Amino acid sequence: EAAVTQSPRNKVAVTGGKVTLSCNQTNNHNNMYWYRQDTGHGLRLIHYSYGAGSTEKGDIPDGYKASRPSQENFSLILELATPSQTSVYFCASGRTGGSSYEQYFGPGTRLTVL
Amino acid sequence: AQKVTQTQTSISVVEKTTVTMDCVYETRDSSYFLFWYKQTASGEIVFLIRQDSYKKENATVGHYSLNFQKPKSSIGLIITATQIEDSAVYFCAMREGNSGTYQRFGTGTKLQVVP
Repeated sequence: EAAVTQSPRNKVAVTGGKVTLSCNQTNNHNNMYWYRQDTGHGLRLIHYSYGAGSTEKGDIPDGYKASRPSQENFSLILELATPSQTSVYFCASGRTGGSSYEQYFGPGTRLTVL
Repeated sequence: AQKVTQTQTSISVVEKTTVTMDCVYETRDSSYFLFWYKQTASGEIVFLIRQDSYKKENATVGHYSLNFQKPKSSIGLIITATQIEDSAVYFCAMREGNSGTYQRFGTGTKLQVVP
């Protein structure tokens, strides 16, 4: 069964520290996405990727970097975490082309920056 | 630029009735795809149903259906015979067909189904 997994599921970080959120998908999808979810804002796109080696900025990329070392893995990196980055982060994967464009989401990572 | 708006923050309905959740969108593309997703209380987000802009027929999946009004840039989600398990947050999303790679999401509508 196709799946998107995220690690860690919960993370507490200190201000100024580096945080790496990891995502793995077994869907064999080219596209992967990172979103954050905050009350009143829904899901906002941070970074996305077309495939291994590519990363693109989404709507709110400031303060975040992304890395796509392989088809299966997509990481979100907070080099200098700030309290404003406290949120729930979702990774998703999706196909390129064809007739099916829906996204498959991971379970989310709850990040608290103190 | 694409934009998706859900103005209903929360809705409460009685079990076994029908509910409609609204969504309006903005795009300059002539081709686009519209989606609805459900987020359960556990946080899980799952795809429910999709409408392609070039299709005139409203999509239906199980007890979910869509009310696609292209001239009004509107895509409503209709849930018939609601069940307690339908209580969740519902997100509308759009992907532009000609130039789009990602989906833009609305802010969500929280549905509560009560006995």
